Amino acid sequence: GAGVSQSPSNKVTEKGKDVELRCDPISGHTALYWYRQSLGQGLEFLIYFQGNSAPDKSGLPSDRFSAERTGGSVSTLTIQRTQQEDSAVYLCASSYLAGGYTGQYFGPGTRLTVT
Amino acid sequence: GQQVMQIPQYQHVQEGEDFTTYCNSSTTLSNIQWYKQRPGGHPVFLIQLVKSGEVKKQKRLTFQFGEAKKNSSLHITATQTTDVGTYFCASNSGNTPLVFGKGTRLSVIA
Repeated sequence: GAGVSQSPSNKVTEKGKDVELRCDPISGHTALYWYRQSLGQGLEFLIYFQGNSAPDKSGLPSDRFSAERTGGSVSTLTIQRTQQEDSAVYLCASSYLAGGYTGQYFGPGTRLTVT
Repeated sequence: GQQVMQIPQYQHVQEGEDFTTYCNSSTTLSNIQWYKQRPGGHPVFLIQLVKSGEVKKQKRLTFQFGEAKKNSSLHITATQTTDVGTYFCASNSGNTPLVFGKGTRLSVIA
């Protein structure tokens, strides 16, 4: 079946502009995660959605970052008033949580460049 | 929250040599997962271990979960150039988000 998809694959924006990044998880996966990865670095957790529960926003670096998940499926990560330090690859992952934890399946990421 | 520490940060090996990366925690882990990220790619789920002392193999890769469930290792026998990438361990508890280690970057010299 189809994997996790993300759009756009690349985004170049000017400092101060808002951007929206989209994630389509694997159908039936109840959990969805957003991460940020700077060049050559590890994965920085941003936000986590699980079913109908309130999202875990503990990783969002500032109030310029927000995310929503509509209908328990597609998710959008919004960055307002982008800064150069927001430049990174934004990765989305989904997993199926039922009777135990399963691995996360990552999308190809959106490379964000803030000029 | 729980944290996982990975060592080494980098490893350079000659093709054909073995490679091991370690993941350690000060707290007992409910599970451990391993991921591989090729250069320019995204992390790919390899395996999950949940039982104390568990050992699983995937071809040349051997994954181990410590008896105390506080550490784990990934061992690659006779590395190949296709093994190049960064290997991450990760763990979570219940419905909490996965916590990833910082990864071990493997270079294989042909």
